[in-house]
Amino acid sequence: QVTLKESSPVLVKPTETLTLTCTVSGFSLSNPTRGVSWIRQPPGKALEWLAHIFSNDEKSYATPLKTRLTVSKDTSKSQVVLTMTNMDPVDTATYYCVGGFEREGHPIGLDSWGQGTLVTVSS
Amino acid sequence: DIQMTQSPSSLSASVGDRVTITCRASLSITSYLGWYQQKPGKAPKLLIYAASVLQTGVPSRFSGGGSGTDFTLTISSLQPEDFATYYCHQTYSTPYTFGQGTKLQIK
Repeated sequence: QVTLKESSPVLVKPTETLTLTCTVSGFSLSNPTRGVSWIRQPPGKALEWLAHIFSNDEKSYATPLKTRLTVSKDTSKSQVVLTMTNMDPVDTATYYCVGGFEREGHPIGLDSWGQGTLVTVSS
Repeated sequence: DIQMTQSPSSLSASVGDRVTITCRASLSITSYLGWYQQKPGKAPKLLIYAASVLQTGVPSRFSGGGSGTDFTLTISSLQPEDFATYYCHQTYSTPYTFGQGTKLQIK
């Protein structure tokens, strides 16, 4: 059974850097058919895709946030890490780690969602 | 970036109704489209991938169609547990983008 679990809820101050860890079980991060996305959802608002790390370790980021985001993976620890710099109150949201299967270099279905973790940005 | 536009933004329907939600991409995304269902306080759930392939375990009353720029999600006979918010998501071209969501409410 595939599960993904984000690190605990966090309160960060404006301008600080956020680090979130996703621990994966049920599949290996070296699996050539699986990648991981990060997606967030501000309270009462729509889903926003942030970043994807492909099975071949390539990364892709949301255009408005690409200068602030870094995603990486540690296959030996089965962990994917997202960092976001210069946090602002508008970044307050639930952040989801999501596993998806890939075909021909594209994610074709984000089928395994973590429970989400609330990130609050406030001074 | 590819923009995804869903319609309607909200929809009221009754149990047993047939409903269709549409999603339009600003450029062709071939069939790299997924549909997700989200209930309040819960993580989204994958319903359909590759535009028309039903995810394992999803009831057959859900179906997806379309290719290129125009897509549909149809629920053939609404059940009480289907009242939720639905999102489309393109994974053809990065950055991958979601539609704004369609909230399906009980009439």
